[in-house]
Amino acid sequence: QAALTQPASVSASPGQSVAISCTGTSSDVGATNYVSWFQQHPGRAPKLIIYDVNNRPSGVSDRFSGSKSGNTASLTISGLQPEDEAHYYCDSFTSSRTVVFGGGTKLTVL
Amino acid sequence: QVQLVQSGSELKRPGASVKVSCKTSGYSFSLYSMNWVRQAPGQGLEWMGYIQAKTGNAFYAQAFTGRFVFYWDTSLTTAYLQIFGLTTDDTAVYFCARDAAFGKYDYWGQGALVTVSS
Repeated sequence: QAALTQPASVSASPGQSVAISCTGTSSDVGATNYVSWFQQHPGRAPKLIIYDVNNRPSGVSDRFSGSKSGNTASLTISGLQPEDEAHYYCDSFTSSRTVVFGGGTKLTVL
Repeated sequence: QVQLVQSGSELKRPGASVKVSCKTSGYSFSLYSMNWVRQAPGQGLEWMGYIQAKTGNAFYAQAFTGRFVFYWDTSLTTAYLQIFGLTTDDTAVYFCARDAAFGKYDYWGQGALVTVSS
């Protein structure tokens, strides 16, 4: 199972919005609504920020939102803050009942 | 509160084996599967597979068949990852992650660094 495709890096200034894409196939992202997003700061474990495409766990800021169209899911972060600088990963449940992660995106807050 | 606490860093020689533990607390252990995720130095997350809560059956991603074993001790509410025949390519941080459903990993261990070096 090939990793989902994410941009290696994105950047934006504080207060702006940024979108991170996660492109898969009709066997993973396109086949399910079980897409999650994780935030990972250096040296830390990943943290769940979006699940089931567009749902936020309790305690996660509403500045984070998710969507999906066809084989591509997206994470949008609005009102960027310095602490949003981190790596972001998507994952998707697949038609083979496995899970595949994206390659990860480094977000830089300028 | 839910906690997953992993064992500490390990330094191993090539060919040796290693066991990483993931002690759980704060929830009913048998209701959730435990997944394992590898992160090589400077790299992304890689799904290794899972062990089912109720049956103890394990499923391994294709890249992790043969030398990797998941098991758990329900009496200790602890999950384990054992790796045999270590190579330098196994150097990575290994995370355990509770699966709330279909890749929704809502709680993670802190990670265990395994370094393989001669």
